Amino acid sequence: NAGVMQNPRHLVRRRGQEARLRCSPVKGHSHVYWYRQLPEEGLKFMVYLQKENIIDESGMPKERFSAEFPKEGPSILRIQQVVRGDSAAYFCASSPDRGQNTEAFFGQGTRLTVV
Amino acid sequence: DAKTTQPPSMDCAEGRAANLPCNHSTISGNEYVYWYRQIHSQGPQYIIHGLKNNETNEMASLIITEDRKSSTLILPHATLRDTAVYYCIVRVGRSMDTGRRALTFGSGTRLQVQP
Repeated sequence: NAGVMQNPRHLVRRRGQEARLRCSPVKGHSHVYWYRQLPEEGLKFMVYLQKENIIDESGMPKERFSAEFPKEGPSILRIQQVVRGDSAAYFCASSPDRGQNTEAFFGQGTRLTVV
Repeated sequence: DAKTTQPPSMDCAEGRAANLPCNHSTISGNEYVYWYRQIHSQGPQYIIHGLKNNETNEMASLIITEDRKSSTLILPHATLRDTAVYYCIVRVGRSMDTGRRALTFGSGTRLQVQP
């Protein structure tokens, strides 16, 4: 899907560094979701944001992880003091505000490797 | 959201129809059935969704049983590029109380299209 843009596509960080993952939703979409996929595992929901608000962060680890979706600019998933276990693919999805029930579109993901 | 059950893997011959089943026996009246697929660690791709009527688009058909306890995704003429993990997801529509909910991915069905 050409709409949801994630960058970088690949990110390498040393243990203890910070990782910043960016997600630009489809133009006009105000709902953003972040998912994590560990190697050989399924997609796990992390957080759901709607322009400047966190709606559901039930899947987000309590420490070191934070997310924002400012009024202007992309959504950011921030991981502080990364550890080897954070190595995964992180996917972002967006959906529009209109309609009762609409599909979400995913980006191609950011593959984080912690060395 | 209701739980779904899918076979872990299936094979299909190229050019033949692929029929992927999904059981969602605890589905409630306001829950939709969504299908996504993930091709080799790419971002999940939306395929189709429905509430109670059968649906068809350029990618696939979705057949939902009358009691809505199960559904089948049909890829009419499978190609090698359809080899992927297919996810059946049940999700409630947007409501005043819950807002828009994130998709919850299970283990899916790994479809292997054979030449």
